[in-house]
Amino acid sequence: SQTIHQWPATLVQPVGSPLSLECTVEGTSNPNLYWYRQAAGRGLQLLFYSVGIGQISSEVPQNLSASRPQDRQFILSSKKLLLSDSGFYLCAWRGAHEQYFGPGTRLTVT
Amino acid sequence: AQSVTQPDIHITVSEGASLELRCNYSYGATPYLFWYVQSPGQGLQLLLKYFSGDTLVQGIKGFEAEFKRSQSSFNLRKPSVHWSDAAEYFCAVGADSWGKLQFGAGTQVVVTP
Repeated sequence: SQTIHQWPATLVQPVGSPLSLECTVEGTSNPNLYWYRQAAGRGLQLLFYSVGIGQISSEVPQNLSASRPQDRQFILSSKKLLLSDSGFYLCAWRGAHEQYFGPGTRLTVT
Repeated sequence: AQSVTQPDIHITVSEGASLELRCNYSYGATPYLFWYVQSPGQGLQLLLKYFSGDTLVQGIKGFEAEFKRSQSSFNLRKPSVHWSDAAEYFCAVGADSWGKLQFGAGTQVVVTP
């Protein structure tokens, strides 16, 4: 069966520091992958999606970037964090048409 | 413009009572439709999905949803809620070849004894 992992589970970082969040999927090959952010009291915002290795599409201009160095690995990065980057970051992979979500990473920028 | 609307931000329901969560969408064609549930601090779990066919869809945890094309709605129901159903519920629609989903703002469900 398929599983999706996100690392780390929680992170507290100072403003201006770099960021790297990792998402890995097991049990499926060449999945479409997605990064979402959920800010406090708000819904889900799609940040990036990827249909294959090295293929990244950005949905919202921002301080973040994404990369897909391997088939089942999706990384969210930033060179310098802003306070507004705080939130709950979710990774998902696509099944037939539905998406399956990881457990999320809680990022607090101080 | 494409949109997904969950009119109820917050619903309080007594344990054992029935629950209905509303979802309306605005898309050019019938999209794929989903309901997800999120417990505090957790990821989203897929409750059910509608692609085509029977408009009444059964999901996990005793939930069902009905697609009504004429009303552009996909409402979620449960006949008798349990305290463990307290969570946030998201309606989502998908209509493009990249598999992107658009989510509603969510409905917070509180279950009282």
